[in-house]
Amino acid sequence: AQRVTQPEKLLSVFKGAPVELKCNYSYSGSPELFWYVQYSRQRLQLLLRHISRESIKGFTADLNKGETSFHLKKPFAQEEDSAMYYCALRPPSGNTGKLIFGQGTTLQVKP
Amino acid sequence: EPEVTQTPSHQVTQMGQEVILRCVPISNHLYFYWYRQILGQKVEFLVSFYNNEISEKSEIFDDQFSVERPDGSNFTLKIRSTKLEDSAMYFCASSGQGRETQYFGPGTRLLVL
Repeated sequence: AQRVTQPEKLLSVFKGAPVELKCNYSYSGSPELFWYVQYSRQRLQLLLRHISRESIKGFTADLNKGETSFHLKKPFAQEEDSAMYYCALRPPSGNTGKLIFGQGTTLQVKP
Repeated sequence: EPEVTQTPSHQVTQMGQEVILRCVPISNHLYFYWYRQILGQKVEFLVSFYNNEISEKSEIFDDQFSVERPDGSNFTLKIRSTKLEDSAMYFCASSGQGRETQYFGPGTRLLVL
């Protein structure tokens, strides 16, 4: 079954602390993995995708196919990082592009 | 920067009534999607639409649901006879190609009483 699991509903850290938002997926092929972010009162927006291998707003995520994980990391959290973060998977086949989301993790960065 | 827009932002309806949720995708995009998020649960894929037809739908998207692109700009989701469990946030999204970045609208919060 296609599934994305984000084990933490809430992650609370202090400003300047490292952050790791966990994401594990279940899929038999080679899916694309994404992180989407939703700031307060704003829409869902793409943060990064594994094929880009880029760092956005200081966040990085490495796809580990052996562990089927795509954890999101940032070395020093900022208060403006406080938001809801969703890990998502796109199946490799087909052209429809549907996304399968995890439950989301609320990141709270305290001053 | 172009954005996906959705109307209304909130809708309250009685069980059994029909609702139409409207979306205006980004103008040069070709793929359109609807997702929903029941309160406290994950965002779930409902349907994708390309070239004026449904390209994929989930098991949630039963006969009570339909989508339409009635003109060159709007993309609508109709629920024929709403149930209490249809209460959710409904997100529209669009992308230039099927496997490109999806851009999401702000959502319509539907409450069925």
